[in-house]
Amino acid sequence: DGGITQSPKYLFRKEGQNVTLSCEQNLNHDAMYWYRQDPGQGLRLIYYSQIVNDFQKGDIAEGYSVSREKKESFPLTVTSAQKNPTAFYLCASSPILTGGSSEGYTFGSGTRLTVV
Amino acid sequence: AQSVTQLDSQVPVFEEAPVELRCNYSSSVSVYLFWYVQYPNQGLQLLLKYLSGSTLVKGINGFEAEFNKSQTSFHLRKPSVHISDTAEYFCAVSALTGGGNKLTFGTGTQLKVEL
Repeated sequence: DGGITQSPKYLFRKEGQNVTLSCEQNLNHDAMYWYRQDPGQGLRLIYYSQIVNDFQKGDIAEGYSVSREKKESFPLTVTSAQKNPTAFYLCASSPILTGGSSEGYTFGSGTRLTVV
Repeated sequence: AQSVTQLDSQVPVFEEAPVELRCNYSSSVSVYLFWYVQYPNQGLQLLLKYLSGSTLVKGINGFEAEFNKSQTSFHLRKPSVHISDTAEYFCAVSALTGGGNKLTFGTGTQLKVEL
């Protein structure tokens, strides 16, 4: 079955450490997205990519970095510059279609990051 | 640019009662509309979507939504909720032109079904 896989499901980070969250999809989607979710704040876009080797900042990119070396993979690194990284992180993917996103997004099951 | 407003952050309801979760959008161009559901510690799952045609859209788990262009609304309804419907619900919009295939999400409505 096609889908999008995030790992790990739970991640603990010490202050000052960088951590990388994995996101892999086998849906042959061109676009991939990273969102951060905090209680009561909905989904906030961190980065997105519509093609390999290219990505754009979202609304809250500071303290995060991404790469898109393969179509299937879009890892997110939470750097030590991110002052409040404890949150639920969601990865999503979608095809690129003319005339709007009629397919919507497919989401992974999320990674919960906690700073200890 | 598009925007989505979910008017209620929390909606409590008793089991077997009907429920309506409200969503209003703003856009200068035609749009596609979506409702997603998120259970605790999980990703978002597509409930239903409106692309064109009939304004009443039926989705999974007995949910339906009605597109109202004049009121720029896409409210989600279920005639009789179950305890398992307790979850967060997100409305989203995609512009047919100029949106770059990106979805704009509302801030979510937490539906709490009580016995």
